[in-house]
Amino acid sequence: DSGVTQTPKHLITATGQRVTLRCSPRSGDLSVYWYQQSLDQGLQFLIHYYNGEERAKGNILERFSAQQFPDLHSELNLSSLELGDSALYFCASSPGGGTGAYEQYFGPGTRLTVT
Amino acid sequence: AQTVTQSQPEMSVQEAETVTLSCTYDTSENNYYLFWYKQPPSRQMILVIRQEAYKQQNATENRFSVNFQKAAKSFSLKISDSQLGDTAMYFCAFSEKKSSGDKLTFGTGTRLAVRP
Repeated sequence: DSGVTQTPKHLITATGQRVTLRCSPRSGDLSVYWYQQSLDQGLQFLIHYYNGEERAKGNILERFSAQQFPDLHSELNLSSLELGDSALYFCASSPGGGTGAYEQYFGPGTRLTVT
Repeated sequence: AQTVTQSQPEMSVQEAETVTLSCTYDTSENNYYLFWYKQPPSRQMILVIRQEAYKQQNATENRFSVNFQKAAKSFSLKISDSQLGDTAMYFCAFSEKKSSGDKLTFGTGTRLAVRP
């Protein structure tokens, strides 16, 4: 158990719908990252938040958005869903803040299926 | 932009034997980290080992060790005394050293099968 929690574990929804994925980082970790794992694109970085602020964006679609709340949990919002958005979405956390520890610990992932 | 290349899509090893997975990367940065992650059939991403670029000594974690060649930008993973539970997808990953942390750039993975 990495200490990172993600809900829900599985999500099945229809095209055009909107969903919210939730992540709670390890206790004390300030950085939260979102990644998408699909068969054709591999593991792709989406977005990074540090202590509530957006720090970096990767290949994140405009239909996707995220935020990190004061209690450091994060949500990834996916809207106008398309079949191609079906994937495993991971959240990861790391301490950040100049602690010298930079390894990221991953949650169990949310498997999204768009039908 | 950084790139990570894993040139072995699949590998197989006999139980109790040793196997080495290859990884090369490309970066213009001098301060960075390299990681190996394991993804078993459960799909959980598990950190296996990490290496800091400024450390010349190769990292070791029990049966797992790395051969880090900074000049050659090579970062291979050696698994000794392979066990059935080592069967998984293995990803090599790179991140820059930043105070708030940095994204991971992953290779395409190597699927390792340990034969009984």
